[in-house]
Amino acid sequence: RKEVEQDPGPFNVPEGATVAFNCTYSNSASQSFFWYRQDCRKEPKLLMSVYSSGNEDGRFTAQLNRASQYISLLIRDSKLSDSATYLCVVRVSGGYQKVTFGIGTKLQVIP
Amino acid sequence: DAGVIQSPRHEVTEMGQEVTLRCKPISGHDYLFWYRQTMMRGLELLIYFNNNVPIDDSGMPEDRFSAKMPNASFSTLKIQPSEPRDSAVYFCASSFWTSGKYEQYFGPGTRLTVT
Repeated sequence: RKEVEQDPGPFNVPEGATVAFNCTYSNSASQSFFWYRQDCRKEPKLLMSVYSSGNEDGRFTAQLNRASQYISLLIRDSKLSDSATYLCVVRVSGGYQKVTFGIGTKLQVIP
Repeated sequence: DAGVIQSPRHEVTEMGQEVTLRCKPISGHDYLFWYRQTMMRGLELLIYFNNNVPIDDSGMPEDRFSAKMPNASFSTLKIQPSEPRDSAVYFCASSFWTSGKYEQYFGPGTRLTVT
């Protein structure tokens, strides 16, 4: 089983739609969680961290479910500029910064 | 800040040749990571350094791969000899470990093609 699993998609959604991605992780010792965004042929960039209580940043909402070992990302009112691949990232507890990336979920927002 | 700098941006080489990828992390960052990204396997961690010391190289595919960090501002990833299956995008990333903050900053990547 992969450490971090994501549906690679693609998810094709119309502008203005709400879309949600899930990501599951296998290591119960995982401590920190993130969503990164990667545009086509570009480098990944941090979108948001995921906190236990859930957190929101504008149209983006991230949630963590430790019991079921998954995190989610909700995008409301999708924009064309949201088209990208969204990478789920997990860090296992410990003093170091090693993280594991999921394969990413591709989102295409259609006019 | 200039961000993480990688060179070359593109590399095309023939099987059997030596390839050297270069990375300059963000000044002040104490962690440096080398990743490889392919469509099939996604983003894989190859090796990472803390204060120029290799911490975990378990992701390095085989002895053909080696990485060094001679000082805080420079790192290399070398493949010798290269093979067609090494074709991928290689990213370097750096970070600064402050409590609760683990953001990694990626360079633009080196797109390697081995023919």
